[in-house]
Amino acid sequence: KAGVTQTPRYLIKTRGQQVTLSCSPISGHRSVSWYQQTPGQGLQFLFEYFSETQRNKGNFPGRFSGRQFSNSRSEMNVSTLELGDSALYLCASSLGSTSGELFFGEGSRLTVL
Amino acid sequence: QKEVEQDPGPLSVPEGAIVSLNCTYSNSAFQYFMWYRQYSRKGPELLMYTYSSGNKEDGRFTAQVDKSSKYISLFIRDSQPSDSATYLCAIGNYGGSQGNLIFGKGTKLSVKP
Repeated sequence: KAGVTQTPRYLIKTRGQQVTLSCSPISGHRSVSWYQQTPGQGLQFLFEYFSETQRNKGNFPGRFSGRQFSNSRSEMNVSTLELGDSALYLCASSLGSTSGELFFGEGSRLTVL
Repeated sequence: QKEVEQDPGPLSVPEGAIVSLNCTYSNSAFQYFMWYRQYSRKGPELLMYTYSSGNKEDGRFTAQVDKSSKYISLFIRDSQPSDSATYLCAIGNYGGSQGNLIFGKGTKLSVKP
């Protein structure tokens, strides 16, 4: 069974640019969550999508957005990049039931120069 | 007060030692508890999941939850060099968004041969 796939794995951008990250969940999983991981703050919740609807959103500025497609694949977008956006962005999928068990991809490492 | 507190370490032990990793949390509404392991440059992988007070064992790993003290622990018996990784505790709430887990900042463990 294929795991969660994230692309691209590494990318470098400059301040002011925008970036789009992609996530393909485990087959059959309908929920996709996004997290930002930095050395200082650890893992912080960005948002969760279930059946193409945003179910919850973390405390991040509006520059961070996402969406989910009918096949459960998800994308997140960060506009007007800032140096502080440099981080590992992790996508996690789950069945969307009450279990809360999340399965993570390997992440997309974003460096903003 | 942060919702989840975890000693960041680093923790260095000799091979074969018993390792104890701990987290405390502040909100008694949290109802399920997980431990994730994250190797360098990889995404977190789910190790243990529990929702009740007491112990849950899986091979060399034991997860312990004390809801009255809001304290969770992970014990690793007969630790191996392959256990060297960062261990993250995570907590969640059935009434909330299942994709929104609160993570500790992680404890970096090194097991020396």
